[in-house]
Amino acid sequence: EDQVTQSPEALRLQEGESSSLNCSYTVSGLRGLFWYRQDPGKGPEFLFTLYSAGEEKEKERLKATLTKKESFLHITAPKPEDSATYLCAVQETAGANNLFFGTGTRLTVIP
Amino acid sequence: DTEVTQTPKHLVMGMTNKKSLKCEQHMGHRAMYWYKQKAKKPPELMFVYSYEKLSINESVPSRFSPECPNSSLLNLHLHALQPEDSALYLCASSQVGFLNSPLHFGNGTRLTVT
Repeated sequence: EDQVTQSPEALRLQEGESSSLNCSYTVSGLRGLFWYRQDPGKGPEFLFTLYSAGEEKEKERLKATLTKKESFLHITAPKPEDSATYLCAVQETAGANNLFFGTGTRLTVIP
Repeated sequence: DTEVTQTPKHLVMGMTNKKSLKCEQHMGHRAMYWYKQKAKKPPELMFVYSYEKLSINESVPSRFSPECPNSSLLNLHLHALQPEDSALYLCASSQVGFLNSPLHFGNGTRLTVT
């Protein structure tokens, strides 16, 4: 069965304390892996798409990487405004226009 | 602000009511989606429209009825809902084919069924 698992479920960081979020996936064929940020009461906001192992994308304090089994979202020197839930989603090669979402990591950055 | 607009932002309805959720996008996307999200859970796909035709229905109960009147609009008609249907309903759009086009989400409609 296809699965997307994110860890940790929740993460509290001090401002400036770098860390990484993990997304592990098991799908029959990966077409794309997507990272989203979701603030409370809002819709997910697109961050990155990764297509193949070894690929990396960066945006401000965020850097996403991809291997054959997992993706990491590295947060460097986070700020309180980085507090949000970070969702990972995968699309299968064989699937139609659908994303399988992980349960997310709730990140809190303390000033 | 997102480029996918959903109305209303909040909706409270009784189990015998009929209501509709609306979604609009002007990005030229030809795929549109309805997702349901419960608290502290990931979004779950309900329906996909591709070129204004229903392409995916994830075994959603018939009390939810989608409609795509044109390439910019997507509606979700609600009838005889249950309290467990209370959730955040998210609309999204993307280019068809998807490979280079992520889903763009609206901010959702917070639905409460009493």
